[in-house]
Amino acid sequence: DAGVTQSPTHLIKTRGQQVTLRCSPKSGHDTVSWYQQALGQGPQFIFQYYEEEERQRGNFPDRFSGHQFPNYSSELNVNALLLGDSALYLCASSLGTRWGNTIYFGEGSWLTVV
Amino acid sequence: GESVGLHLPTLSVQEGDNSIINCAYSNSASDYFIWYKQESGKGPQFIIDIRSNMDKRQGQRVTVLLNKTVKHLSLQIAATQPGDSAVYFCAENIGGNTPLVFGKGTRLSVIA
Repeated sequence: DAGVTQSPTHLIKTRGQQVTLRCSPKSGHDTVSWYQQALGQGPQFIFQYYEEEERQRGNFPDRFSGHQFPNYSSELNVNALLLGDSALYLCASSLGTRWGNTIYFGEGSWLTVV
Repeated sequence: GESVGLHLPTLSVQEGDNSIINCAYSNSASDYFIWYKQESGKGPQFIIDIRSNMDKRQGQRVTVLLNKTVKHLSLQIAATQPGDSAVYFCAENIGGNTPLVFGKGTRLSVIA
């Protein structure tokens, strides 16, 4: 039973570029959330996808966008990269919107913006 | 791998001793609480969770205590092992599939 998988694991981009990160949820899960984790901080919620729609969004600018595919996998896109976007980007998956469903995280994608 | 917890509070514990990691939360509407373990270069790993209608829950070598009166959560690890060394985060949400809000994290360092 595969857990949450993310790709790529590491990448380096230049300011102003665009990046796409990918996530496959744990088998059987249909909800995907993305979090940003800066060095020395806890993860911060970016947005959540369920039934191919963005359901909830945290305090992130429109440069951050996403998509969920029919197979429940998801992408996170960040446009016009800033140095401050350098962080670990985590994908989390869960099942539906029921209370207290365990939320599992992937290993993350390390993004460095230079 | 890179570290995500460069300047976090650190708890140093001798191998075999019990560890207690504390977390204060601010949202009195929070309904569900989770402890995660994050090792260097890895994503958060689920340890144990607890609902707001409970004040204690036990797992294998771990116990979570919830005190809603003072909005305090703790994680107790029995017979701490070197493999327990990591950054520990508490997280909360207001129920359903609402976003998790993470605490600042505590680095646990186990001294062999």
